[in-house]
Amino acid sequence: DADVTQTPRNRITKTGKRIMLECSQTKGHDRMYWYRQDPGLGLRLIYYSFDVKDINKGEISDGYSVSRQAQAKFSLSLESAIPNQTALYFCATSDPTGGNTGELFFGEGSRLTVL
Amino acid sequence: QKEVEQNSGPLSVPEGAIASLNCTYSDRGSQSFFWYRQYSGKSPELIMSIYSNGDKEDGRFTAQLNKASQYVSLLIRDSQPSDSATYLCAVTPSGGSNYKLTFGKGTLLTVNP
Repeated sequence: DADVTQTPRNRITKTGKRIMLECSQTKGHDRMYWYRQDPGLGLRLIYYSFDVKDINKGEISDGYSVSRQAQAKFSLSLESAIPNQTALYFCATSDPTGGNTGELFFGEGSRLTVL
Repeated sequence: QKEVEQNSGPLSVPEGAIASLNCTYSDRGSQSFFWYRQYSGKSPELIMSIYSNGDKEDGRFTAQLNKASQYVSLLIRDSQPSDSATYLCAVTPSGGSNYKLTFGKGTLLTVNP
């Protein structure tokens, strides 16, 4: 089983619908992230969390919200989905105690299509 | 907005050749630099990290860093078809926020048998 698991892996929805993407990890890492990837735009940080009580906005947080339900779980919500939120979404974790603070461990991705 | 620039490619090399991937960054205070590999339809995975000027070798991979020129590169020797992937350059910003990577858009590498 993957250390960082995302559900759903694929989702097609309509404009205005509420969508939740879920992420769970078994790596024991405190830091968790949500990124989106668009063709030609690379990976962009949406939100990040250092622990259950510490949640921070990334560079493109508008239109998104997150919830850190536990150390191992970090969910991303789109309250009212719009077509330009169609993208590939990645959850990631990192362990700052290991020294290599730039190493992110990614989930398999959730492909979201908003019609 | 701090930027990380990569040639989007595609970069096409024959099997056995050296592939050279380049990256420039705008934040002069950046301290940590990373190369991630992403196969089509898969998630990125870290293949190299470099923190000091010079070269760092790991098997067929060599990362090169020149902070004065704000330039980091990845060389892949004896390229194999299995190296065909998108390579993402990532940089940590100055100011100690080493958890907030800025990614380049990636360079697509194709190694032809």
